[in-house]
Amino acid sequence: KNQVEQSPQSLIILEGKNCTLQCNYTVSPFSNLRWYKQDTGRGPVSLTIMTFSENTKSNGRYTATLDADTKQSSLHITASQLSDSASYICVVSAEGGSYIPTFGRGTSLIVHP
Amino acid sequence: DTGVSQNPRHKITKRGQNVTFRCDPISEHNRLYWYRQTLGQGPEFLTYFQNEAQLEKSRLLSDRFSAERPKGSFSTLEIQRTEQGDSAMYLCASSLSFGGAPDTQYFGPGTRLTVL
Repeated sequence: KNQVEQSPQSLIILEGKNCTLQCNYTVSPFSNLRWYKQDTGRGPVSLTIMTFSENTKSNGRYTATLDADTKQSSLHITASQLSDSASYICVVSAEGGSYIPTFGRGTSLIVHP
Repeated sequence: DTGVSQNPRHKITKRGQNVTFRCDPISEHNRLYWYRQTLGQGPEFLTYFQNEAQLEKSRLLSDRFSAERPKGSFSTLEIQRTEQGDSAMYLCASSLSFGGAPDTQYFGPGTRLTVL
């Protein structure tokens, strides 16, 4: 069964600090992995998309890594800001003719001043 | 506003009633997706369209659910005989897809459904 597990479930950090969110998956065969940011009450916003051949991708202060061998990904946030407070969702898609992504439950990040 | 729009934003209905949601994608986006999200969970894929063709349907999409994209532009999602378990946020996303490359999906604000 395809699964995506994210950790931690929630995280509280102080403004200006860095943090790393984890995503482990069992989706196979792997096609791509996406990280989304979702503010409360709003739709998700795409941060990064990585395919099998990519092991790092950055989007401003967000840097995602992918280890396809261990089936792990991380999202590193540098110099956090209050506006980073949101849920961060990892999504993994399998390769093949069909598009049926597997979503993680998300990590809830709270950045305190 | 050139983003994805969804209407209505909120819908309260009684169990057993039918409801219909509308999604207007970003202009010229050829793919349109529907997802469902319950509180504290990540979204769940329901279905997607390539232009007007419905290419995938999740097992979550029971016979009570139907989606259309008649002219390859806006889409509607209808739920018949609603149940309390249908209460959720229904999200729509659109993308411009070329070949097999992964596409960046742009999400709308969602329609929150409450079934009493």
